[in-house]
Amino acid sequence: AQSVTQPDIHITVSEGASLELRCNYSYGATPYLFWYVQSPGQGLQLLLKYFSGDTLVQGIKGFEAEFKRSQSSFNLRKPSVHWSDAAEYFCAVGAAGGSGGSNYKLTFGKGTLLTVNP
Amino acid sequence: DAMVIQNPRYQVTQFGKPVTLSCSQTLNHNVMYWYQQKSSQAPKLLFHYYDKDFNNEADTPDNFQSRRPNTSFCFLDIRSPGLGDAAMYLCATTRGGGGSGNTIYFGEGSWLTVV
Repeated sequence: AQSVTQPDIHITVSEGASLELRCNYSYGATPYLFWYVQSPGQGLQLLLKYFSGDTLVQGIKGFEAEFKRSQSSFNLRKPSVHWSDAAEYFCAVGAAGGSGGSNYKLTFGKGTLLTVNP
Repeated sequence: DAMVIQNPRYQVTQFGKPVTLSCSQTLNHNVMYWYQQKSSQAPKLLFHYYDKDFNNEADTPDNFQSRRPNTSFCFLDIRSPGLGDAAMYLCATTRGGGGSGNTIYFGEGSWLTVV
């Protein structure tokens, strides 16, 4: 079965500093990989996704992530963090769905809470 | 405009009293999911529909049921809520099929409190 590990439960950075959130996955086939962001009391917003092709993926809000198959990693990066980036970040792997077609279902990591200091 | 709409956003129910959460989508997606997210935890998939085909996760309790009367709507029924069922319930949709590199879109969630 697929799984996702986010080693850092909580990260604090200063506004303007660079950011890297770690994600490691376990999946037997080529994975679909995602990063979602969740503000308190809100749903999940997709930041970026990797399905195939270029291993460096650009997302919204200035985020990017790099897929490294040899390390089973999909780390999220941002060169300069803004106070509005404070939120919880979830990495997810998409595995084949149930009967009926080629949809997939997401397994999430436990999340990393990002705090941004002024 | 919101594409995946969940109602109600906040629901308080009594221990053991059945409750229904609803989800509607304007995307005409054929796949709909229900996730449970407890405080400070990762979302956990309960089940999903591919068209009318229901796919239950192996560890989803029988207390949780779902209905999908048409493409646009999906309901989560909790037959006898316990204190441990207090959580945010997230609905999500995607277009399945065709090699499917499609995004999964989430609603804003429904917060359930059990008293």
